[in-house]
Amino acid sequence: ETGVTQTPRHLVMGMTNKKSLKCEQHLGHNAMYWYKQSAKKPLELMFVYNFKEQTENNSVPSRFSPECPNSSHLFLHLHTLQPEDSALYLCASSQDVTSGHNEQFFGPGTRLTVL
Amino acid sequence: KNQVEQSPQSLIILEGKNCTLQCNYTVSPFSNLRWYKQDTGRGPVSLTIMTFSENTKSNGRYTATLDADTKQSSLHITASQLSDSASYICVVSAQGTYKYIFGTGTRLKVLA
Repeated sequence: ETGVTQTPRHLVMGMTNKKSLKCEQHLGHNAMYWYKQSAKKPLELMFVYNFKEQTENNSVPSRFSPECPNSSHLFLHLHTLQPEDSALYLCASSQDVTSGHNEQFFGPGTRLTVL
Repeated sequence: KNQVEQSPQSLIILEGKNCTLQCNYTVSPFSNLRWYKQDTGRGPVSLTIMTFSENTKSNGRYTATLDADTKQSSLHITASQLSDSASYICVVSAQGTYKYIFGTGTRLKVLA
């Protein structure tokens, strides 16, 4: 276990549904990340929060809406998704965003399938 | 453009054999390089981290090397086990940023 948990682990949703992914870290970190992992592609950074403030939105479509109520929790709200959004969504945390020396710890991911 | 390329894309070996995975990067200015292991259906877990001044780092049966001059790294797995079956991702960080630059990974399968 890395100290980062994600729920649900698997999610199947229709294009008109609204769902949310949850991430929680138990490491006392101040930065949290959402990544998208598609087959045969590098991990894509979606959003970054540092001390609850969003510091990065990597041109992500508005059908993905992040929320960070505190430094331990991160949500990704989903609505009106497309089939090409099907992927593994990974949450990560690190001490903060001051340096690439700060290791990012990843959760197990949510496998999302959009029908 | 900062990029990380890995080879081979996939690899199949027999249990007990050794193997070497390759990583080439164009990230500049270089800060550090990590190797992550990702089991199927799980998140990546860090194996090693190396900075500019380090040219080798071991973690059990895993040994990573770094040649900062040629911008190449390798991950050598000794006496492979079935549990080594996973994707191995090379990750590079540039100085002055927290962002990771990910390779596409090498998918390793170890057969009994």
